[in-house]
Amino acid sequence: AQKITQTQPGMFVQEKEAVTLDCTYDTSDPSYGLFWYKQPSSGEMIFLIYQGSYDQQNATEGRYSLNFQKARKSANLVISASQLGDSAMYFCAMRDQGGSEKLVFGKGTKLTVNP
Amino acid sequence: EADIYQTPRYLVIGTGKKITLECSQTMGHDKMYWYQQDPGMELHLIHYSYGVNSTEKGDLSSESTVSRIRTEHFPLTLESARPSHTSQYLCASSEGYGGDPNEKLFFGSGTQLSVL
Repeated sequence: AQKITQTQPGMFVQEKEAVTLDCTYDTSDPSYGLFWYKQPSSGEMIFLIYQGSYDQQNATEGRYSLNFQKARKSANLVISASQLGDSAMYFCAMRDQGGSEKLVFGKGTKLTVNP
Repeated sequence: EADIYQTPRYLVIGTGKKITLECSQTMGHDKMYWYQQDPGMELHLIHYSYGVNSTEKGDLSSESTVSRIRTEHFPLTLESARPSHTSQYLCASSEGYGGDPNEKLFFGSGTQLSVL
């Protein structure tokens, strides 16, 4: 069964610094995809970054990068040069082929960026 | 930018009322989803659809029902709302094919439902 674990209920970072949000996952399927979404206080879910299980390189999207360690089953999100607008909930999610249509989410991490 | 719309954005309603949460997308996606999210918690899949006339139940048991008569429209209905239904409901769609792991979901802005 799929499982996503985010162990950090809340994180604080100073503006302009980098922050890492942790995510570990569990699946027995060799083919899977890992996603990070941002949810501001307004409620919408915003796609940030994707990593496929067969991708050789860590995914990057602007200030977001994914530290993918397959053997450890971790997919941590790194946000560089934090901005006040980065304050939000961040959710890690996974879909594997066994889970078919289901994107399974972790419990999320609330990031607060301090000025 | 995602073109998926949910209405209403906020809804406060009394116990026992029938309600329909609307979700529409203009991207021509075959797959659509409904997730339920309590404040500060993870999202739970309650319904999904592969396409027209297809509806499936998700992981979290829900008293709501859905229909998919048109590709672009995936409404969710509660026949008799109760306070336990108070939550945020998020609609999403994707264009992937056959369980592709890299399907990205596009989400609407959500409906915050409060049942008094």
